Amino acid sequence: KQEVTQIPAALSVPEGENLVLNCSFTDSAIYNLQWFRQDPGKGLTSLLLIQSSQREQTSGRLNASLDKSSGRSTLYIAASQPGDSATYLCAVRPGANNLFFGTGTRLTVIP
Amino acid sequence: DTEVTQTPKHLVMGMTNKKSLKCEQHMGHRAMYWYKQKAKKPPELMFVYSYEKLSINESVPSRFSPECPNSSLLNLHLHALQPEDSALYLCASSQERGAENIQYFGAGTRLSVL
Repeated sequence: KQEVTQIPAALSVPEGENLVLNCSFTDSAIYNLQWFRQDPGKGLTSLLLIQSSQREQTSGRLNASLDKSSGRSTLYIAASQPGDSATYLCAVRPGANNLFFGTGTRLTVIP
Repeated sequence: DTEVTQTPKHLVMGMTNKKSLKCEQHMGHRAMYWYKQKAKKPPELMFVYSYEKLSINESVPSRFSPECPNSSLLNLHLHALQPEDSALYLCASSQERGAENIQYFGAGTRLSVL
């Protein structure tokens, strides 16, 4: 069964710092990988989706990379802001409908 | 418009109650999903509807009963729940079932079972 792990579980950084969140998965047979943001008690907001044939995707200050063969993805956030504080979840899709979510990284950006 | 609307936002119910969670989208998506998320845990898939037909049921207890009355609506009927069913229930939709389709999530319904 696919297992998705995110490290670190929690991260606290001062405003303006660049940071990297990590995601690893055990089965490299995936269609795509998606990064989500979740604010406390709220739903999920899709940030970036990387297809299995792609190496990276960028949106504004966010850059996500995918190394399918080694089962790893990273989410790079440039010039962090207090509004970036949230839990970040990665999810892999091994089939048409399944999404396996990681354990999440809770990010706090200190003003 | 990429909005998935869930109602109610909060629900408290006793173990003998019957209640329903509702989800609505107007993006023309033909696949809709229910997820359950316990505190500090990732979401877990419960059900998938594709073209208004149930296509995946992830061994969910029968006290949860999904319904898709039309392509825009998805309900989750609840009956005789247990306290351990307390969680955030998330609805999502995507254009179709294909792996390339992004799932859009609602804000969730926070359910407490007393």
